[in-house]
Amino acid sequence: RKEVEQDPGPFNVPEGATVAFNCTYSNSASQSFFWYRQDCRKEPKLLMSVYSSGNEDGRFTAQLNRASQYISLLIRDSKLSDSATYLCVVSPNTGFQKLVFGTGTRLLVSP
Amino acid sequence: GAVVSQHPSRVICKSGTSVKIECRSLDFQATTMFWYRQFPKQSLMLMATSNEGSKATYEQGVEKDKFLINHASLTLSTLTVTSAHPEDSSFYICSARGMLGGGNTDTQYFGPGTRLTVL
Repeated sequence: RKEVEQDPGPFNVPEGATVAFNCTYSNSASQSFFWYRQDCRKEPKLLMSVYSSGNEDGRFTAQLNRASQYISLLIRDSKLSDSATYLCVVSPNTGFQKLVFGTGTRLLVSP
Repeated sequence: GAVVSQHPSRVICKSGTSVKIECRSLDFQATTMFWYRQFPKQSLMLMATSNEGSKATYEQGVEKDKFLINHASLTLSTLTVTSAHPEDSSFYICSARGMLGGGNTDTQYFGPGTRLTVL
């Protein structure tokens, strides 16, 4: 079983749509959680950290359910520029130490 | 702008040769640098963690004699793929952990990656 599992997609949505991605992780001792964004053939870039209380950054909302070992990302009012692969990332440590990446969920936003 | 650079961005080499990839943190000192590998349609996999001035810690299944890591300064780490073979062809990405410009948030910044093709 992979340590971090994601639906690979692709998710095809029109501009303006709301889309949600889910992720599950196997290590119950995980301490830190993140969503990264990776454009084709580029490096991953941090989108947001995920906190137990849930957090929001503009059109992006992240939720963490430790009991179910489940993380989600909600994107509202999708833009064409949101097209990318979204990586669910988990760390057994606090902060940015060893990061374990999911394979990513691909999002395609069309006009 | 970029905070971590990698060089070269792309390299094609013959089987049996060695390839060195440089990773530099720009504008900050990186106490720790990480090396990842990503095969097509797969996730980034951590290969090793390197701390300045000490030996790298390799993940299970990564051969330390094949992937030589040197972290000579707080801004430079190198990965050398020795005696490269076609199965080593991959996207190698480094990252550096640190704080930018007096900030108080410790973050891991990724380099742009190096695409290695071994013929």
